[in-house]
Amino acid sequence: AQTVTQSQPEMSVQEAETVTLSCTYDTSESDYYLFWYKQPPSRQMILVIRQEAYKQQNATENRFSVNFQKAAKSFSLKISDSQLGDAAMYFCGMDSNYQLIWGAGTKLIIKP
Amino acid sequence: GAGVSQSPRYKVAKRGQDVALRCDPISGHVSLFWYQQALGQGPEFLTYFQNEAQLDKSGLPSDRFFAERPEGSVSTLKIQRTQQEDSAVYLCASSLGRGGQPQHFGDGTRLSIL
Repeated sequence: AQTVTQSQPEMSVQEAETVTLSCTYDTSESDYYLFWYKQPPSRQMILVIRQEAYKQQNATENRFSVNFQKAAKSFSLKISDSQLGDAAMYFCGMDSNYQLIWGAGTKLIIKP
Repeated sequence: GAGVSQSPRYKVAKRGQDVALRCDPISGHVSLFWYQQALGQGPEFLTYFQNEAQLDKSGLPSDRFFAERPEGSVSTLKIQRTQQEDSAVYLCASSLGRGGQPQHFGDGTRLSIL
């Protein structure tokens, strides 16, 4: 069975600092995609960053970057220069055949 | 706008009533997904359409749940004889197709069963 695990229910960071959210997954597939989505209180899931498993280079999107360790099945999200607008639930997801498998989420709190 | 549109945003129903939730995907998106999200949890997959074909409905919790996408665009999720455990946020997402394309989500419908 495919699973995604987020072991940090809640994280907090001082504004302008850097924070890393953890995600591990399990799959027997060789070709899959990994995502981080953000869900603010407005409820809409917003794509933060996407990683293709066959690419070794870590994806980067402005202040957001990932540390993808394929052998360890780890996919952490680093947020640099944290801003108040980054406060949200963050969900890690894995897509191997159209179906997204989700982690339980990490609530990110930004301290002003 | 050009995003995924869901209606209604909130729905309150009495136990036993039937409800219908609507999803209008991004134009041109082939794939459409429905998810159920309980409070404080990640989304749970319900069903998947490719155009008008429902290719996977393995996540539908019971035969009271029914989804359709008759013309390959707008989709409706229907829940018959609602129960209190059906209370959740129902999210709809669409994407260009298979193969790891990002899913674009609507704002969801919060369903409350009294």
